[in-house]
Amino acid sequence: AQSVAQPEDQVNVAEGNPLTVKCTYSVSGNPYLFWYVQYPNRGLQFLLKYITGDNLVKGSYGFEAEFNKSQTSFHLKKPSALVSDSALYFCAVRDIGGYQKVTFGTGTKLQVIP
Amino acid sequence: ETGVTQTPRHLVMGMTNKKSLKCEQHLGHNAMYWYKQSAKKPLELMFVYSLEERVENNSVPSRFSPECPNSSHLFLHLHTLQPEDSALYLCASSQDTTGGTDTQYFGPGTRLTVL
Repeated sequence: AQSVAQPEDQVNVAEGNPLTVKCTYSVSGNPYLFWYVQYPNRGLQFLLKYITGDNLVKGSYGFEAEFNKSQTSFHLKKPSALVSDSALYFCAVRDIGGYQKVTFGTGTKLQVIP
Repeated sequence: ETGVTQTPRHLVMGMTNKKSLKCEQHLGHNAMYWYKQSAKKPLELMFVYSLEERVENNSVPSRFSPECPNSSHLFLHLHTLQPEDSALYLCASSQDTTGGTDTQYFGPGTRLTVL
């Protein structure tokens, strides 16, 4: 079975400060990992994904995520937060060798304070 | 725009009504999905179609009936719904390949309210 956990319901950060949104995962094999963002009254938008290779993945809007196999984590980061980054962020995982489709986390609300 | 459209964007219906949600993808993908998003709950996968065949149905009540006439279109037929079915219904599509990543692209959703 595969699962993903986002331990924080909400993260508050001041504009201009670095941000981190946490995600840990569990799979029986090797993972594909994703981050999606959802703005109010919109669907989810794909931000970035880890397949293999470099542990630091760069995505849209200046976001990046670091794959850490030993800690089974895939935290989303950005060096300098913008007010427009305020949204709901979802981590997702798929076991490469599994039959299941992608499993999404419960989401973390990011609030960037001006 | 993600290349996935959903209509209507908002729907209010009574418990005895019958309505349908429509999803269309313009990405050339071969897999389509219905999700239910309720407040303070994880995203719930309802149905998956790959190559127009249903491959996953996560124990969804029979009052929800999906239809996938071709790889570009997906419908969710609704009848005798309950107030707890009020939610945002999201459609997504992906290119489904063996061992592939299944990166999904989402539509804007239909906000459903059941009175």
